[in-house]
Amino acid sequence: NAGVMQNPRHLVRRRGQEARLRCSPMKGHSHVYWYRQLPEEGLKFMVYLQKENIIDESGMPKERFSAEFPKEGPSILRIQQVVRGDSAAYFCASSPPGQGPDTQYFGPGTRLTVL
Amino acid sequence: GEDVEQSLFLSVREGDSSVINCTYTDSSSTYLYWYKQEPGAGLQLLTYIFSNMDMKQDQRLTVLLNKKDKHLSLRIADTQTGDSAIYFCASGPGGGSYIPTFGRGTSLIVHP
Repeated sequence: NAGVMQNPRHLVRRRGQEARLRCSPMKGHSHVYWYRQLPEEGLKFMVYLQKENIIDESGMPKERFSAEFPKEGPSILRIQQVVRGDSAAYFCASSPPGQGPDTQYFGPGTRLTVL
Repeated sequence: GEDVEQSLFLSVREGDSSVINCTYTDSSSTYLYWYKQEPGAGLQLLTYIFSNMDMKQDQRLTVLLNKKDKHLSLRIADTQTGDSAIYFCASGPGGGSYIPTFGRGTSLIVHP
């Protein structure tokens, strides 16, 4: 059973471009969480999704950021018109249905660098 | 808002015990977690403790919780070079919420 997969592992974008980060949860997991880790900071929650639904996006910046988890395929975190302050590691976690945060499994992260 | 604080660095000699400390502010926290992050990797859940417990032991790991002082510690016995990593403390709020609040992480450096 493969773990949580994220790609790309490293992404470089110029200011103003779009960044798309993908997360494939573990098999059988229907809950996906996105976190952002700024340099020398802890992880900050961004958004919690279940299949085709956004459950909690209280940690998402109001502009330029969006997330989806379609019925088929990976979850996507999209950042439009990136700025230097978006440079961070973005982690995805997944959990099985009906279980809480103690069962979140983390992916290896995507490290976004904005030039 | 909720806050979790931990020291940024800890350096120990191989074979010694390591103690990583953490304080949190949310008194309604139900779960307290320790995660390990190795270079270039995601977070790995090491252990967690329910807020109604004082201590939990799992092989070389001992977690102590002082709920009155909102203080959590992780003790690693017989620390090895493979234990070098960043250790994150996190508190999981109760009241139906489910998203942990993470500290900034403690970098553990183990010297041979």
